[in-house]
This record gives sequence, C-alpha cells and structure tokens, in this order.
Amino acid sequence: NAGVTQTPKFQVLKTGQSMTLQCAQDMNHNSMYWYRQDPGMGLRLIYYSASEGTTDKGEVPNGYNVSRLNKREFSLRLESAAPSQTSVYFCASSGDYGTANQPQHFGDGTRLSIL
Amino acid sequence: GENVEQHPSTLSVQEGDSAVIKCTYSDSASNYFPWYKQELGKRPQLIIDIRSNVGEKKDQRIAVTLNKTAKHFSLHITETQPEDSAVYFCAASPNTGNQFYFGTGTSLTVIP
Repeated sequence: NAGVTQTPKFQVLKTGQSMTLQCAQDMNHNSMYWYRQDPGMGLRLIYYSASEGTTDKGEVPNGYNVSRLNKREFSLRLESAAPSQTSVYFCASSGDYGTANQPQHFGDGTRLSIL
Repeated sequence: GENVEQHPSTLSVQEGDSAVIKCTYSDSASNYFPWYKQELGKRPQLIIDIRSNVGEKKDQRIAVTLNKTAKHFSLHITETQPEDSAVYFCAASPNTGNQFYFGTGTSLTVIP
C-alpha cells in the first residue's frame, strides 16, 4: 500500500499562475484533508471532505478550491497564486466518518514557492 | 470551534532525560487525541493516541495522559535518545465531523 500520495513534490510558480495539487489514497478512507504548514504556525486546515461528494471550508480557505473527484482523490487548486501561498501543503486521510475517529495518515507534502 | 494550545514551543533535554509536552483543548466534545512526530522535511506520523474513555496509554518509552475535567493532555517521553529530536504536534478531534485541530508544535532537541 502506498498510503497517501501527493504530486508534485516541489513546484515554483509565478504570481498569478494557477495550478492543481493532486492527492490520492489507497486505504479506502472516507475523509480527506488539505493542510498548509508554515514555520511556527503548525498545521492549518484549508479544506476537508468528510465523504465523497462533500467538501467544507477549514480555517484558511481563501484563495483555494478543492474537488473530491472520487473516494480516492482530493485535489487542491490555486486559481491565481500569491506569494502568501508559499508553503508546504499536506494532504491527509482518515477512517470512516461517523465511527470512532481514526488517526490521520499524511502524504509526503508539496513544497510550493510563489515568486 | 475547538482551540488547542501546546507548550512549550521548544524543548531541549539531555540524552536519557525525560521530556514532557502539554496541550489544552477547549471543546468538551473532543474525544480523540492523537500525537504526531514530524522529522525535518518529512511528513507528520502518528506516534500514540488516546481516547476520552482512557486516562493513560503507554507504548514503550512514550506515554500520553488525559485529564478530561481540566481539558488537558500530555506526551511523556522517557530515556530520550537523539533520534527523538523532531517537532511534535498534539491534536484534538470532536466526536462528530471527523475534524482535527492541531497545536502549533513543540520542537524537541535531545542533546547527546
């Protein structure tokens, strides 16, 4: 099992460019998440999807959109990148919604720099 | 919503000593509390977790305690080793919605 796979691992963008970060999990988890990690700020939730077909805003959703393509895949899109979105982005997944909460499993992260 | 505070933000200990990291939470509906270790440039990885029906859980040199009344939980690492050096995050998760709320992390350095 690969667990949670994120692509790309690194990306450099210019201000105003758009891109999509991809995430896929093979653990049959219902819930998927996107976080950004900045120095001294911990992990901040951008969007999450409790189940296929649903998405909800987290703490810092502005400037981002998400798509839960199917149960396995959850993508994050930056429509018009800004330098403030320079960060490390982590995707995570966790066990079934509605049952006792299960731990999150994280991908390796995408290191995104916006010039 | 839930608010998780974590202290200290940095911690240095001598090899072999114990390390304690503390977290508080605000939402009494939180009932699941995982701890993650993140090595430099790597992903966060679960090291131990505890549920609200348990007061303490141990796994070799790592233990977690939970005080539901005071709304705080702690990570204890005994006999620390240099490979324990990393950033540790606590989190709290309410019993509905499957959201996780993270602390801001503790950077632990174990000095050989």
